Amino acid sequence: KQEVTQIPAALSVPEGENLVLNCSFTDSAIYNLQWFRQDPGKGLTSLLLIQSSQREQTSGRLNASLDKSSGRSTLYIAASQPGDSATYLCAVEGGANNLFFGTGTRLTVIP
Amino acid sequence: DAMVIQNPRYQVTQFGKPVTLSCSQTLNHNVMYWYQQKSSQAPKLLFHYYDKDFNNEADTPDNFQSRRPNTSFCFLDIRSPGLGDAAMYLCATSRDSAKSYEQYFGPGTRLTVT
Repeated sequence: KQEVTQIPAALSVPEGENLVLNCSFTDSAIYNLQWFRQDPGKGLTSLLLIQSSQREQTSGRLNASLDKSSGRSTLYIAASQPGDSATYLCAVEGGANNLFFGTGTRLTVIP
Repeated sequence: DAMVIQNPRYQVTQFGKPVTLSCSQTLNHNVMYWYQQKSSQAPKLLFHYYDKDFNNEADTPDNFQSRRPNTSFCFLDIRSPGLGDAAMYLCATSRDSAKSYEQYFGPGTRLTVT
C-alpha cells in the first residue's frame, strides 16, 4: 500500500525566506501528485498538480518538482509571507480514484 | 464561481443519532469523493462515485453510507455515530478519473458527537 511521508512535520521561518517542503512516497507507480494547502479548521485548496510524466509545475511563488523514480517531490515557496502560514499536504494518486495523503507540514511564517 | 459546497459547516449530533452531511457542486464533475480527516491526521478516502457507480473503500465501516441522487449532489449518511466518528468530513470532485484530473475540495463539515 502507498505510504506518503512529509518532513518536517512543522516549520517556522522568518518572513521573506525561501523554503522547501518535502514529500516522499513508497510506490512510484503514480498517476499524479498534488500539493494542497489547508488552513486551520478549513478544507483543502489545490495548489499544484504534477502529472506523472512531468518534472515540475509553477504557480506564482510556488514551484513543485517530481522525481517519480526516487519517490520524491518538493514544494518550493519563494519570498515567504505571513499569509503563507498553513498546513501543506501532498497527495499521490495511484489510480482507482484514490488519493494517498501525507500528514502535512505545518508552516508558520513569522512577520 | 464554480465550486464545491458543503452543508452544514458544523454539525453536532448525539451518540447513536443518525446524521446526514451534504455536498453539492457546480463544476459538473462526474466523480465525487468523501474523505474523513481526524485531528492532525491525513484525509482518508471513505468512498467515491464515478457517475452513478459507487466505490467503497475496503476499510470503510458499514456505519457510513452514501447517496448520489444526481450529478450535483452527494450525501454522507452516518447511521449510528460513535465518539470515534468525530472528524472533519471533506467532499471533493474531479472531472474524469481516467485522465487523472485534479481533485477540488469543499470547505468541509466538522462533526462533533456528544
